[in-house]
Amino acid sequence: KAGVTQTPRYLIKTRGQQVTLSCSPISGHRSVSWYQQTPGQGLQFLFEYFSETQRNKGNFPGRFSGRQFSNSRSEMNVSTLELGDSALYLCASSPPLTLGTYEQYFGPGTRLTVT
Amino acid sequence: AQTVTQSQPEMSVQEAETVTLSCTYDTSESDYYLFWYKQPPSRQMILVIRQEAYKQQNATENRFSVNFQKAAKSFSLKISDSQLGDAAMYFCAYRTMEYGNKLVFGAGTILRVKS
Repeated sequence: KAGVTQTPRYLIKTRGQQVTLSCSPISGHRSVSWYQQTPGQGLQFLFEYFSETQRNKGNFPGRFSGRQFSNSRSEMNVSTLELGDSALYLCASSPPLTLGTYEQYFGPGTRLTVT
Repeated sequence: AQTVTQSQPEMSVQEAETVTLSCTYDTSESDYYLFWYKQPPSRQMILVIRQEAYKQQNATENRFSVNFQKAAKSFSLKISDSQLGDAAMYFCAYRTMEYGNKLVFGAGTILRVKS
């Protein structure tokens, strides 16, 4: 089975611009979660989508948004980029809860640099 | 809110020796999941081991095992017969059993393996 894929892998944007990151989960996984990783704040939960609905949301400003499509692929968008948004953005997918395992499988991440 | 603490920013181990990474967490829940993830320099997060809180038996995966002390809210990872490929950042993570997928991560421990 193919793993979680994220595109693009690297991105450089300018302050004030907006950016869209994409994540394709493992086949059969309907839950997609997003995390931001920075040296200062560590790994922080952004939000989770399940069956095209946002199910959980972390403590991030409204500039951070996401969506999920019917094929479970997810996108996250950051508007009005700030220097502090420079980070590694990780996407993770989870198998159906009926399997009783509850783990998350991560993609390789998108490295966003804001200048 | 749940919190996860990893008190060792950095650890070193000699190849073939054993090392233990510490993790404590704070929660008022009685049922939850705990995980150890490994993040090598490639930044790909890899699931190492998981533990269900309702299980008293400590989880084991080949050279990796945990010491889960529920009353003490402690969840340490033991790596036996350390190999050069074990060098990475290790994250302890907590998953609530409440609705949805959300991981709360510790700050991480950098593990260096000396040959």
